[in-house]
Amino acid sequence: DQQVKQNSPSLSVQEGRISILNCDYTNSMFDYFLWYKKYPAEGPTFLISISSIKDKNEDGRFTVFLNKSAKHLSLHIVPSQPGDSAVYFCAASAGSNYQLIWGAGTKLIIKP
Amino acid sequence: EADIYQTPRYLVIGTGKKITLECSQTMGHDKMYWYQQDPGMELHLIHYSYGVNSTEKGDLSSESTVSRIRTEHFPLTLESARPSHTSQYLCASSRDFGYGYTFGSGTRLTVV
Repeated sequence: DQQVKQNSPSLSVQEGRISILNCDYTNSMFDYFLWYKKYPAEGPTFLISISSIKDKNEDGRFTVFLNKSAKHLSLHIVPSQPGDSAVYFCAASAGSNYQLIWGAGTKLIIKP
Repeated sequence: EADIYQTPRYLVIGTGKKITLECSQTMGHDKMYWYQQDPGMELHLIHYSYGVNSTEKGDLSSESTVSRIRTEHFPLTLESARPSHTSQYLCASSRDFGYGYTFGSGTRLTVV
């Protein structure tokens, strides 16, 4: 049973517009969430994270929102740029003694 | 500069050959991981290590083996490669299980 779900395998967005990537989780013990970005033939790189004590975290063009009651988080990219075209993985943690649980990823395509 | 290195980046090998994928990190992290990832699919954990002389199998059954004789080194070995082993192999390390995974660039393995 997948504990972290990214239900959209792909998303296409016009350059300059907002990209919104979604992630749902089922385990209420998760207290830390991360987004990673992955280009083909490369390893994932850390993008942004959020602790369960917050509902928003912002870093430049990237903002992550957490809705604990809905067990849902989203990553907003504004404005979207061609270099943002990649696969985005959502991951969740139940603490420092537990491994990260990964979603299946969403492929973001930024159209010129 | 602290980092994590994987070699080779690309490997094409014949069926039945023995191969070792190398992974080294200079961050002094205790935890290390091997993931397998195919395009459009989630990251599957195949092996992990708590520290020197500790190795565990991950969620995805794998015919590979690993060793952890030194903190910085976590090689993965396939005794007899098969076409079904064709995939991207990603090595990662972290200080704690639940946070801050740093990934290598990956090895794209093709078994013909």
